[in-house]
Amino acid sequence: LAKTTQPISMDSYEGQEVNITCSHNNIATNDYITWYQQFPSQGPRFIIQGYKTKVTNEVASLFIPADRKSSTLSLPRVSLSDTAVYYCLVGDMYPGAGSYQLTFGKGTKLSVIP
Amino acid sequence: KAGVTQTPRYLIKTRGQQVTLSCSPISGHRSVSWYQQTPGQGLQFLFEYFSETQRNKGNFPGRFSGRQFSNSRSEMNVSTLELGDSALYLCASSLAVGSSYEQYFGPGTRLTVT
Repeated sequence: LAKTTQPISMDSYEGQEVNITCSHNNIATNDYITWYQQFPSQGPRFIIQGYKTKVTNEVASLFIPADRKSSTLSLPRVSLSDTAVYYCLVGDMYPGAGSYQLTFGKGTKLSVIP
Repeated sequence: KAGVTQTPRYLIKTRGQQVTLSCSPISGHRSVSWYQQTPGQGLQFLFEYFSETQRNKGNFPGRFSGRQFSNSRSEMNVSTLELGDSALYLCASSLAVGSSYEQYFGPGTRLTVT
């Protein structure tokens, strides 16, 4: 199972772009990279997912270099409501029987300051 | 479309008792995963069910068990409760097994063991 390493916490001012980098040195060929957001006392919420290069949706962008050993979640112009914990996950997109498991790391606690 | 629902939302039990938690996935989703979240250990994978079969199991003792019904609803059971079982238990559903499928999390069941 590929393990992930993220910064424990980050602070940012409102309106700034925030980049959170996740390290996954032993990512496997079939692994997808997924990011989730979690607010206190709520379940995690899917933000974005990618396999390689760059993916963008209405809330974030995900940058994945060619070696796929890391990925960077980019949140444009953050607001106070973006204060949350952000998790990077790596998992097999074609799991065999008994081999699949999504592993959440400790996550990055993002605090947005007014 | 209704989201993932979990019942009950809050539960207080005594050491040695057993507890059953319920999860109703999003309509059409056939995969249900369970996670335990504690401040110290973070989000930890318990098990995943797909088409009424357990596909994978995390590193938890046999006191933790689960099942899935033909309508994809799932239950998890914890027997002989210990103080350390106090946690937020999260259920997530997805269309199928594999990290390329987005997981939708429920609000969780807050279990307190006294």
